[in-house]
Amino acid sequence: AQSVTQLDSQVPVFEEAPVELRCNYSSSVSVYLFWYVQYPNQGLQLLLKYLSGSTLVKGINGFEAEFNKSQTSFHLRKPSVHISDTAEYFCAVSSGTYKYIFGTGTRLKVLA
Amino acid sequence: NAGVTQTPKFQVLKTGQSMTLQCAQDMNHEYMSWYRQDPGMGLRLIHYSVGAGITDQGEVPNGYNVSRSTTEDFPLRLLSAAPSQTSVYFCASSYSGGGYTFGSGTRLTVV
Repeated sequence: AQSVTQLDSQVPVFEEAPVELRCNYSSSVSVYLFWYVQYPNQGLQLLLKYLSGSTLVKGINGFEAEFNKSQTSFHLRKPSVHISDTAEYFCAVSSGTYKYIFGTGTRLKVLA
Repeated sequence: NAGVTQTPKFQVLKTGQSMTLQCAQDMNHEYMSWYRQDPGMGLRLIHYSVGAGITDQGEVPNGYNVSRSTTEDFPLRLLSAAPSQTSVYFCASSYSGGGYTFGSGTRLTVV
């Protein structure tokens, strides 16, 4: 069975500071990995995905994530956050391409 | 391009009532899923479909039915609503190798 762990339920960070949101997964098979963002009262929007190839994946809004197979991690990073990045972020894993398991989410709060 | 359209956006039901949450996508995606989102629990898969006429259960299927008669539509039926089904429901669609495109959600309250 697959699972996803997002270690931090909330992350406060000052504007223009860097941020890392952590995601660890467990799976006995090869996986695809995703990060989604959810703004208040909206649906989820795909930030980036790792299917294969380069382990450093760049997404929208200046976010990037690195797939680390040995540590079974897929942490999300941004070098300088803005107030508008305040949202909830979800990590997801899939062994196929349609049945996803989501983490419990990390609320990013960017402070002025 | 409308993407994934969910209706209604809000709904209040009485315990025991039934209703159907509608979901339609215009991207010709093969895969469609229904998730529920509850505080502190992330998103949990209710049912999914890999194509017209093919559906299967996810993590939390009890109390819900689905059907997929066309590629575009994937309605979710609540058979007899219970307070435990109070949640935000998201429909999503995907193509092979892509990430999911989500609808804007249906906020359901069962009293």
